Amino acid sequence: DQQVKQNSPSLSVQEGRISILNCDYTNSMFDYFLWYKKYPAEGPTFLISISSIKDKNEDGRFTVFLNKSAKHLSLHIVPSQPGDSAVYFCAASGGTSYGKLTFGQGTILTVHP
Amino acid sequence: DAGITQSPRHKVTETGTPVTLRCHQTENHRYMYWYRQDPGHGLRLIHYSYGVKDTDKGEVSDGYSVSRSKTEDFLLTLESATSSQTSVYFCAIRGFGGATDTQYFGPGTRLTVL
Repeated sequence: DQQVKQNSPSLSVQEGRISILNCDYTNSMFDYFLWYKKYPAEGPTFLISISSIKDKNEDGRFTVFLNKSAKHLSLHIVPSQPGDSAVYFCAASGGTSYGKLTFGQGTILTVHP
Repeated sequence: DAGITQSPRHKVTETGTPVTLRCHQTENHRYMYWYRQDPGHGLRLIHYSYGVKDTDKGEVSDGYSVSRSKTEDFLLTLESATSSQTSVYFCAIRGFGGATDTQYFGPGTRLTVL
């Protein structure tokens, strides 16, 4: 049972345009959501997060939107840059005091110059 | 830089041999986690620790054991490696302060079981 899903395995975008990565979840106990970026041969790096008490969080070019009623979150990257090309994972936590994360399958983002 | 190292970074082994992966942190974090990353599955939790000698199973714990005898080290052992355990393994620590549910990852260990 995949509790966090990223239904698009890949996304291709032109430099300067917006990249939108999507993530759906099924567990109503999740109350904290994160996005990680991963380059080949490196560990995932934390990008941005959002608590369930908010519906938007911004950090520079990155914005995460949360729609609790639809159990959906999205990551917007504006403007996209070639260096943003990586695998992006969404993750969720909640309902436990141990901070365990449940990850989506990942989306490969390619930004073309 | 979360001060997490993993060793070895790459390992090739044969089916049936025991393998131990090490995660070392310098930040004195209480919580540590082991994940494996496989195509189409994202990262899946194997085991986690919430203190010295305190560990528990994650989503895909079969065939793995862990030990934590001191705060800075979290060991993952494959008692008898199988080809299905070929994967990239990541260790993580849990953040603190205002980011207690954010995890920070090590560089990973690529394990190949022949």
